[in-house]
Amino acid sequence: DAKTTQPPSMDCAEGRAANLPCNHSTISGNEYVYWYRQIHSQGPQYIIHGLKNNETNEMASLIITEDRKSSTLILPHATLRDTAVYYCIVRVASDSWGKLQFGAGTQVVVTP
Amino acid sequence: EAGVAQSPRYKIIEKRQSVAFWCNPISGHATLYWYQQILGQGPKLLIQFQNNGVVDDSQLPKDRFSAERLKGVDSTLKIQPAKLEDSAVYLCASSSGRANQPQHFGDGTRLSIL
Repeated sequence: DAKTTQPPSMDCAEGRAANLPCNHSTISGNEYVYWYRQIHSQGPQYIIHGLKNNETNEMASLIITEDRKSSTLILPHATLRDTAVYYCIVRVASDSWGKLQFGAGTQVVVTP
Repeated sequence: EAGVAQSPRYKIIEKRQSVAFWCNPISGHATLYWYQQILGQGPKLLIQFQNNGVVDDSQLPKDRFSAERLKGVDSTLKIQPAKLEDSAVYLCASSSGRANQPQHFGDGTRLSIL
């Protein structure tokens, strides 16, 4: 079973920030939080990952709470191309060849 | 760099027939994965290779599914005979195997069983 809980769907207006929540209350100290997204008819795409510090890259920002039991993925200026299913996954980083355990994810729809 | 290549993109067969999918991972990636994604669900791992050896095939229905990775590069996944419940997207992914490196996915093969 997936170790994370995400809302099944959310809408976001184009140009606004999209904040995607994820609960991972049973996360272990050596587990990272990974985010992937899957655009329709494509394979999952890696977005970002982090352990306990906030992380930012060209695609998104990841905010992890101090107790690490939840996190938020932020898409700063959502575009129509960001419409996708977003998956939050916890995984031991040292298990570099380990499988990814996907849940159902959050269907994000960006509207004009 | 070139991404993970998969073929064919679509395949339609009748139940009890056989089918094969092909994957070419990112150059230099030692680890290769096959996932099955049923409509409305997240991908589920079927089998994982490290170079040409199997690391995890615990979720592979071995009575009908088989996979190989000759020479530690390309891989094929075969289903024989196919069942209706095998209708899904079959995704291939690869990673370098180094710590903290993400998996990169191909766009998958959509299989429909009639």
